[in-house]
Amino acid sequence: DSGVTQTPKHLITATGQRVTLRCSPRSGDLSVYWYQQSLDQGLQFLIQYYNGEERAKGNILERFSAQQFPDLHSELNLSSLELGDSALYFCASSAGWSVTDTQYFGPGTRLTVL
Amino acid sequence: GQQVMQIPQYQHVQEGEDFTTYCNSSTTLSNIQWYKQRPGGHPVFLIQLVKSGEVKKQKRLTFQFGEAKKNSSLHITATQTTDVGTYFCAASGGSNYKLTFGKGTLLTVNP
Repeated sequence: DSGVTQTPKHLITATGQRVTLRCSPRSGDLSVYWYQQSLDQGLQFLIQYYNGEERAKGNILERFSAQQFPDLHSELNLSSLELGDSALYFCASSAGWSVTDTQYFGPGTRLTVL
Repeated sequence: GQQVMQIPQYQHVQEGEDFTTYCNSSTTLSNIQWYKQRPGGHPVFLIQLVKSGEVKKQKRLTFQFGEAKKNSSLHITATQTTDVGTYFCAASGGSNYKLTFGKGTLLTVNP
């Protein structure tokens, strides 16, 4: 158990819909990262928040947005969903903001878009 | 953007055989990390290498960072069934402040 929690575990929805994925970092960690894992693209970095502020951006689509709240939990919002958005979404957390900090991954949310 | 090539994509071995996975980059890397993901699980951090030519060991696992800091390898000696999973390298370089993951090597072990 990494100490990072993600809800829900599974999500099934239809094209065009909007969903929210939630992540709680390990106690004391200030950074939260979001990743998308699909069979063809592998593990893709989406976005990082550090202490409530956006720190780094990766291959995140405009239809996707995220935020980190004062209690440091984070939410990833996915809208106008397409079939290709079906994937595993992982959240990770680390103590600091640096890319050299160890990242601890949560169990993931499996999103299925029908 | 930064690209990290990882080979092989799959490796099937008999229990007791050795296993190696390689990561290569065309640009100099600042650091490289290795992760393991068990089937149905999440990536778990194994180790980080930052120095040119660095070698680190964890029991049967040996991690190397190339002299030019453009490649890295993970070697497992005498594989066991508990080694099954996908091994990922992840790297950052230059002004790149995010980790780029390789596609991973899926290791299966025949008992």
